[in-house]
Amino acid sequence: NAGVTQTPKFQVLKTGQSMTLQCAQDMNHEYMSWYRQDPGMGLRLIHYSVGAGITDQGEVPNGYNVSRSTTEDFPLRLLSAAPSQTSVYFCASTREGGRGNTEAFFGQGTRLTVV
Amino acid sequence: DAKTTQPNSMESNEEEPVHLPCNHSTISGTDYIHWYRQLPSQGPEYVIHGLTSNVNNRMASLAIAEDRKSSTLILHRATLRDAAVYYCILNSGTASKLTFGTGTRLQVTL
Repeated sequence: NAGVTQTPKFQVLKTGQSMTLQCAQDMNHEYMSWYRQDPGMGLRLIHYSVGAGITDQGEVPNGYNVSRSTTEDFPLRLLSAAPSQTSVYFCASTREGGRGNTEAFFGQGTRLTVV
Repeated sequence: DAKTTQPNSMESNEEEPVHLPCNHSTISGTDYIHWYRQLPSQGPEYVIHGLTSNVNNRMASLAIAEDRKSSTLILHRATLRDAAVYYCILNSGTASKLTFGTGTRLQVTL
């Protein structure tokens, strides 16, 4: 059982380049999320999705796009990378509902450096 | 979401119990208390959660104050593998929108 899988694990981009961070889960979870973590800080929510075709913004959405065409996949797109987007990115999934009574499962992260 | 307050860091000796405190004085009646931990260079990992009663699982125990304004994560016998940042999070909605603070960095020494 793979859980939440993120690719790539490491990436270096030049300023202005675009790329897609991949996230896939095999637990049939409805809800998925993207977070970023800067050095010495906790995770901050970028975007989340409550099901295929439904996405919404989190705390720090600027510079990122998402779409959710299947239950399994939730890619994060950087349209024009900036040095401020250098960070570690985590994808998470959780089953729906629960009103606080469910847990999230996280991937191993993608370490992105923008030069 | 209501705010939580945790010490920045704690130290423990291996094979001794560890009590990690969390204050959440503005907790609402529907907030569950969640604990996650993040091992070095890994994603956060769910540890335990509870609403009002104390909870136990294979990883840890969660002790919740009667007024719910504070809680304590208990690791019964710390090992070197328990060295991590521990996050106390309140959540009354979906776990797809968790609010992380800076957590408590636990150091475990021989």
